[in-house]
Amino acid sequence: DAKTTQPPSMDCAEGRAANLPCNHSTISGNEYVYWYRQIHSQGPQYIIHGLKNNETNEMASLIITEDRKSSTLILPHATLRDTAVYYCIVRRNQGSGNTGKLIFGQGTTLQVKP
Amino acid sequence: SQTIHQWPATLVQPVGSPLSLECTVEGTSNPNLYWYRQAAGRGLQLLFYSVGIGQISSEVPQNLSASRPQDRQFILSSKKLLLSDSGFYLCAWSTRQRTNYGYTFGSGTRLTVV
Repeated sequence: DAKTTQPPSMDCAEGRAANLPCNHSTISGNEYVYWYRQIHSQGPQYIIHGLKNNETNEMASLIITEDRKSSTLILPHATLRDTAVYYCIVRRNQGSGNTGKLIFGQGTTLQVKP
Repeated sequence: SQTIHQWPATLVQPVGSPLSLECTVEGTSNPNLYWYRQAAGRGLQLLFYSVGIGQISSEVPQNLSASRPQDRQFILSSKKLLLSDSGFYLCAWSTRQRTNYGYTFGSGTRLTVV
């Protein structure tokens, strides 16, 4: 699975949009971009994933560049409860012969400030 | 609906003592199951994964072992704990049918070896 690069930390003002970047320049055509977050002392929580089109759900939006070498997770109106470590992970989806292992990097620690 | 149970929530064990952590999944069949560990201040490390009963794959050499005696039960064990086994242990599950949602994690067990 392709490696990802994320900034170690970011700050965001409460109520503003948080834009978390991720580089995955070695991504291959059958690999998806997944985002998870881990609030302190809890298990990681799935946020969103995508292949090449932009995606939006009730939690966030995912913008993937046309060449798929980078992506941005957008939390449109960050709250204090969004303070967490955000992980960008690239992997193939599960299928025949693929266990779907999820390998976490160091992630970005997002601090939402009042 | 699917749920994942992990216990105990916290555990303090002396060096050299045995360990058994249990994880069970409800509401699904034939899940892929995973054990992760997070040492203090570190990232999530995949320890074991299982694609079926009795099928265990180890990701890293270590003092721990895993077993899957039933379809929805995953157990992490050690015969003799080391200080370095301290950490936050997380169980997770996924299925091919839930590929679009990635993994669901349990609430974790915080193990302190003293």
